[in-house]
Amino acid sequence: DAGVIQSPRHEVTEMGQEVTLRCKPISGHNSLFWYRQTMMRGLELLIYFNNNVPIDDSGMPEDRFSAKMPNASFSTLKIQPSEPRDSAVYFCASSFSGSPETQYFGPGTRLLVL
Amino acid sequence: QKEVEQDPGPLSVPEGAIVSLNCTYSNSAFQYFMWYRQYSRKGPELLMYTYSSGNKEDGRFTAQVDKSSKYISLFIRDSQPSDSATYLCAMIWNQGGKLIFGQGTELSVKP
Repeated sequence: DAGVIQSPRHEVTEMGQEVTLRCKPISGHNSLFWYRQTMMRGLELLIYFNNNVPIDDSGMPEDRFSAKMPNASFSTLKIQPSEPRDSAVYFCASSFSGSPETQYFGPGTRLLVL
Repeated sequence: QKEVEQDPGPLSVPEGAIVSLNCTYSNSAFQYFMWYRQYSRKGPELLMYTYSSGNKEDGRFTAQVDKSSKYISLFIRDSQPSDSATYLCAMIWNQGGKLIFGQGTELSVKP
């Protein structure tokens, strides 16, 4: 079975540009999570969806960040405009809402904003 | 004060050693306790999870939860170089799906 799929795996962009990160959760999972990982702050939850509906976006750093989940098999995290401090590894994870303790992570997108 | 505290290490041990990794937490509402392993440049992978207090064993790995002390541990017996990774503890409330992670402990097992 395919795990969580993320694209792109690496992204280098210039400050001010729009960045879109993509995620395909594991089939059958109905909860999806976006995390950001940095050396300074560790792994932080940005937003999570349950049945395609955003439940908690309190971790989204500011209005430059937005996330959507148009259907059960696809989600995007968009940063517009991007800034150097957004450089991090962004992970998507999914789980079945009946088992929130077992989240499966994707390989991550390594973002560098110059 | 962070909700979950974890010593970031790094921790270096010889092959075959017993490793003890620990986290403390402040919120008594946490019910599920997880340990994730993250290899360099990879996503975290779930190692073990426990519900409430007690021990859980899986091969060379033992997870221990002491809710009265708000303290959880992961023990690795007969450590191997392949165990070299960052280990993250995580916790979740009984309701809702929001995991709270520790900072992660970087472990290196030397041959």
